[in-house]
Amino acid sequence: QKEVEQNSGPLSVPEGAIASLNCTYSDRGSQSFFWYRQYSGKSPELIMFIYSNGDKEDGRFTAQLNKASQYVSLLIRDSQPSDSATYLCAVNSGGSQGNLIFGKGTKLSVKP
Amino acid sequence: ETGVTQTPRHLVMGMTNKKSLKCEQHLGHNAMYWYKQSAKKPLELMFVYSLEERVENNSVPSRFSPECPNSSHLFLHLHTLQPEDSALYLCASSQSGGQQDTQYFGPGTRLTVL
Repeated sequence: QKEVEQNSGPLSVPEGAIASLNCTYSDRGSQSFFWYRQYSGKSPELIMFIYSNGDKEDGRFTAQLNKASQYVSLLIRDSQPSDSATYLCAVNSGGSQGNLIFGKGTKLSVKP
Repeated sequence: ETGVTQTPRHLVMGMTNKKSLKCEQHLGHNAMYWYKQSAKKPLELMFVYSLEERVENNSVPSRFSPECPNSSHLFLHLHTLQPEDSALYLCASSQSGGQQDTQYFGPGTRLTVL
């Protein structure tokens, strides 16, 4: 059974700090990795995707991928209260069309 | 309209009712998906359509019946549902072969089965 694991949190950080969200996956053949943000009562919104080992930066967000360790993370710099949401990690193992496996999500709370 | 839209946004139905959820994507994508999101559980993929053909059905009960008349529209027909089917139903779309099939979600339909 292919699995994606995330710490459910809540993860609480002060405003302006770096929030670090982590995700591990079981399928070593996984090819692409996604981070979605979901505000309470809303649908998931794509933040970033990453395919290659290393770091990918987009504004205040940095995704990090380590395929050898089967680990992907999301760093949020200069965290803002508006970043408070649940962050979903999703993994595409490259099998069936669109077969994204989602983690349960990590709830982030940024305190002013 | 832009992105992915879903109607209705909220639905309350009895166990004997028949209703349909509608999804429309305005992104020019060729694949569409239905997901179920229940409290404390990860998103569950229900159905996948690529080029209007169903390619995956993750053992979903037959009381859920999808329909994809064209690449822009997707329906989920509901009948004789159970209270445990109450959840947020999300539609998503992607471009097969593009950006590793990045999926974009609609706002969802909050379904309550009484």
